[in-house]
Amino acid sequence: LAKTTQPISMDSYEGQEVNITCSHNNIATNDYITWYQQFPSQGPRFIIQGYKTKVTNEVASLFIPADRKSSTLSLPRVSLSDTAVYYCLVGDGPGNAGNMLTFGGGTRLMVKP
Amino acid sequence: NAGVTQTPKFQVLKTGQSMTLQCAQDMNHNSMYWYRQDPGMGLRLIYYSASEGTTDKGEVPNGYNVSRLNKREFSLRLESAAPSQTSVYFCASSRRGELFFGEGSRLTVL
Repeated sequence: LAKTTQPISMDSYEGQEVNITCSHNNIATNDYITWYQQFPSQGPRFIIQGYKTKVTNEVASLFIPADRKSSTLSLPRVSLSDTAVYYCLVGDGPGNAGNMLTFGGGTRLMVKP
Repeated sequence: NAGVTQTPKFQVLKTGQSMTLQCAQDMNHNSMYWYRQDPGMGLRLIYYSASEGTTDKGEVPNGYNVSRLNKREFSLRLESAAPSQTSVYFCASSRRGELFFGEGSRLTVL
């Protein structure tokens, strides 16, 4: 069971780039790395997913080193509306589908004006 | 396009009462999950089902039972509710590591 470790909280200012790193030392060979965003009173929402190297979409980038034991979510030019809790999860890869997908404590990001 | 639908959205129970939370997904996903989230805390996995006909315990299964009725539906039952089970319950389904969540069911046990 791959556990994840993230910083408990981070502060930033509007317009800055924010990087949140997640440690997942015992990630399985086929596990995906997926990041979620959660606002109060809502379920988590998918942000981005990767397997190796770098992935970019319209809202974020995900950097994964060759050993895959960590990953970094990068949010460019954050705004107040990016204030939320961010979670990384690993698992559910091909051949390992339907395994226990558990959340760590997440990172509480506060964006200030 | 409903996605994951949970019912009820709100429920108040007295200690010792029983109830079932219903969850259905229309995305043809094999895997489904039940999580609980206490105020200010992260999500904790209660039970999950990798496919129709199978269920497995998660991190906090005590006090709960589940049924994977068919591929679409995954229900969570509290046989004898306790105040410690006051929480928001989220159902989710997954495909290739991406979880799709319902809107949550807010349960209060008095």
